[in-house]
Amino acid sequence: SAVISQKPSRDICQRGTSLTIQCQVDSQVTMMFWYRQQPGQSLTLIATANQGSEATYESGFVIDKFPISRPNLTFSTLTVSNMSPEDSSIYLCSALAGGPIYEQYFGPGTRLTVT
Amino acid sequence: LAKTTQPISMDSYEGQEVNITCSHNNIATNDYITWYQQFPSQGPRFIIQGYKTKVTNEVASLFIPADRKSSTLSLPRVSLSDTAVYYCLVGDRGGTGRRALTFGSGTRLQVQP
Repeated sequence: SAVISQKPSRDICQRGTSLTIQCQVDSQVTMMFWYRQQPGQSLTLIATANQGSEATYESGFVIDKFPISRPNLTFSTLTVSNMSPEDSSIYLCSALAGGPIYEQYFGPGTRLTVT
Repeated sequence: LAKTTQPISMDSYEGQEVNITCSHNNIATNDYITWYQQFPSQGPRFIIQGYKTKVTNEVASLFIPADRKSSTLSLPRVSLSDTAVYYCLVGDRGGTGRRALTFGSGTRLQVQP
């Protein structure tokens, strides 16, 4: 199993600024992911955080807007850049635990409000 | 992408068995079926995963027919604390493919006293 923590848990930011969200896993994991979830909606995958290389982004998400770092097997950051009110959402980090059951472990999320 | 279809919402009463069915007509040979549970203000939590027939753990059972085009999550004797959103995901077991990471709309289960 894996326990995931995120910082900050919530934040209120002004338009045009950037926020970096940290994700810490209590054990080494092969894969980490970042999701976005609007209140009352399902989760949307933003990107796969690759250790030692550039993240793999899903359609509709770009590196300039959501730069991601993963310096080691237990830590990743997501930056939401040049924020607008449309970026207000919950951002979740997850990690994939390997076999025999490949389950994702999720962090508690970061609730971001952009004013 | 393999698309999953679930009922948007379901209502039940405490002590009843709840069955949530997920349709996945385009499931591939190597795909597994995974269910997650999400409470408000929390990240999703793994419930169960299966490939075929029946899988049971301490919290739920997963029934998968021979054609694997659907699956049913069974929650025995639900309580108020089972009120949550339940997601069905279909994808490769390694979880590295996009399909395995694609959450559908989920089923919002409301358990009443």
